[in-house]
Amino acid sequence: ETGVTQTPRHLVMGMTNKKSLKCEQHLGHNAMYWYKQSAKKPLELMFVYSLEERVENNSVPSRFSPECPNSSHLFLHLHTLQPEDSALYLCASSQDRSDSGNTIYFGEGSWLTVV
Amino acid sequence: AQTVTQSQPEMSVQEAETVTLSCTYDTSESDYYLFWYKQPPSRQMILVIRQEAYKQQNATENRFSVNFQKAAKSFSLKISDSQLGDAAMYFCAYEGSQGNLIFGKGTKLSVKP
Repeated sequence: ETGVTQTPRHLVMGMTNKKSLKCEQHLGHNAMYWYKQSAKKPLELMFVYSLEERVENNSVPSRFSPECPNSSHLFLHLHTLQPEDSALYLCASSQDRSDSGNTIYFGEGSWLTVV
Repeated sequence: AQTVTQSQPEMSVQEAETVTLSCTYDTSESDYYLFWYKQPPSRQMILVIRQEAYKQQNATENRFSVNFQKAAKSFSLKISDSQLGDAAMYFCAYEGSQGNLIFGKGTKLSVKP
């Protein structure tokens, strides 16, 4: 059983829909991340939260809106997406957000298809 | 900016044989961490092995070992006695002072029975 769980595993949404991806970590970690994985591209870091505070936003369009209500939960709210936003969205967590080589643990991802 | 390059989009190995996956990176930092992650069809990224740049000794984890050449900025992964369960995408990743992982594009490894 993974320490990081993501729901839903698959999501199909229209361009005018509003949906959310949910991530929960059971590892007692303080940092959580959203990554985007598109075909034939490296994983792209989208957002980083440390102790529930957003510490990084890598120029992600505003149609993606993260929320971290507590250190165990992370959401990605989706609104008026484009077909090119179709991808695998990976949530991850680590003990701390630092440069000390903490192991990052990933969830199984949420497959998003925008139609 | 740091970059990570994996020059082999796909690799294939016979079961029980050894295979080496290549990774090079570019950085001006002297202290950093390097990782190999495995992504099986389930899509969950799993840490295979990590290397601290200030350690000259190559990291090993059972059948997995690395060849870390700091001057050449090379970090290859060797898988010995390959097993069918090793078939997956393998990603090389770099973590520097900013604390964020930078990934390569990945190498798809197939294992032939």
